[in-house]
Amino acid sequence: AQSVTQLDSQVPVFEEAPVELRCNYSSSVSVYLFWYVQYPNQGLQLLLKYLSGSTLVKGINGFEAEFNKSQTSFHLRKPSVHISDTAEYFCAVTPRGSNYKLTFGKGTLLTVNP
Amino acid sequence: DAGVIQSPRHEVTEMGQEVTLRCKPISGHNSLFWYRQTMMRGLELLIYFNNNVPIDDSGMPEDRFSAKMPNASFSTLKIQPSEPRDSAVYFCASSPEGPHSGNTIYFGEGSWLTVV
Repeated sequence: AQSVTQLDSQVPVFEEAPVELRCNYSSSVSVYLFWYVQYPNQGLQLLLKYLSGSTLVKGINGFEAEFNKSQTSFHLRKPSVHISDTAEYFCAVTPRGSNYKLTFGKGTLLTVNP
Repeated sequence: DAGVIQSPRHEVTEMGQEVTLRCKPISGHNSLFWYRQTMMRGLELLIYFNNNVPIDDSGMPEDRFSAKMPNASFSTLKIQPSEPRDSAVYFCASSPEGPHSGNTIYFGEGSWLTVV
């Protein structure tokens, strides 16, 4: 079985500051990793995903994440955030070969203040 | 291309009533998921369909919950009878392939259910 731990439930930052949202996972098999974002009163949408290859993955809206196999982490970063980035961010993991077993973390609420 | 469409967006119902949530997946997607989101438990997978066939319903909490997918463009999640603890946001999602690694799952905007 897989599990995902998002280490911070809330992250407040000021506009134009850098941000890192932390995600650690546990799995006995190889996995694929995802970050989804949920804006207020909306569904989830994909920010980025790691399948293979380069461990640095770039996504939409200027976000990027780095896969670290030895530390079983997949932290999300943005060098300069905007007010519009205020949302809940979910890290998710699925074992290779089994798409539907997508396990989500509890989410991190990013609040960007002016 | 239209996304995953869910209805109703909001529903308030009395305990004991039947609730039916509806979903139209993205055309061409053959995998459909129902998730439930609560503050306490986060996002939980309730049921997964592939080519209209239920593959995994181990997340369905009780017999009060049932889901159907009569065709490739429509699915329902029914709760009968409803209870206050069923209050949550229910998401339908679809994906272009079956159990095939790495595919993105596309979510609808959710059905916000309140049972009083």
